[in-house]
Amino acid sequence: GAGVSQSPSNKVTEKGKDVELRCDPISGHTALYWYRQSLGQGLEFLIYFQGNSAPDKSGLPSDRFSAERTGGSVSTLTIQRTQQEDSAVYLCASSSRPDEQYFGPGTRLTVT
Amino acid sequence: KNEVEQSPQNLTAQEGEFITINCSYSVGISALHWLQQHPGGGIVSLFMLSSGKKKHGRLIATINIQEKHSSLHITASHPRDSAVYICAVRHNTDKLIFGTGTRLQVFP
Repeated sequence: GAGVSQSPSNKVTEKGKDVELRCDPISGHTALYWYRQSLGQGLEFLIYFQGNSAPDKSGLPSDRFSAERTGGSVSTLTIQRTQQEDSAVYLCASSSRPDEQYFGPGTRLTVT
Repeated sequence: KNEVEQSPQNLTAQEGEFITINCSYSVGISALHWLQQHPGGGIVSLFMLSSGKKKHGRLIATINIQEKHSSLHITASHPRDSAVYICAVRHNTDKLIFGTGTRLQVFP
């Protein structure tokens, strides 16, 4: 079946602009995660959605970052007033149980 | 100090060699994951461990909860095993805390 998909695959934006990154999880997966991988750095947790519970936003680096998950399915990560340090690969993962996370291909964001 | 430490950071091997990658963590965990990230960036989950040992093909993962340590072993390594191997722990909630990864290159 279809895996986790993300769009766009690449995004180049000018500093100060807003961007939206989209994640389509595997159908039926109740949990959805956003992670960030900056150049030369490890993966970093950003935000976690589980069913109808309030999301765990503890990893969001600043108030310029926000995420929504509509209808328990598609999620959008929004970065306002982008900065060069926001350049990274943004990865989405979904799961139906805690011992497995299925990762999407990522969106490579470059802020110029 | 990172909560999850991996060693070595970089590893090169000749095809056929036995490889070990280590992961130590400093927090209480409910599970530990080993992930593989290929040069194209795609991430695949290899193992989830909460105790003992798991084996899948040429890959073996072990965990010692008391020592807060896990190892990933690759037997009879092959160039296609070249990737970044990432250890991640589940602490308190289902979110993962990641190590910085071990870059493995296997030469023919």
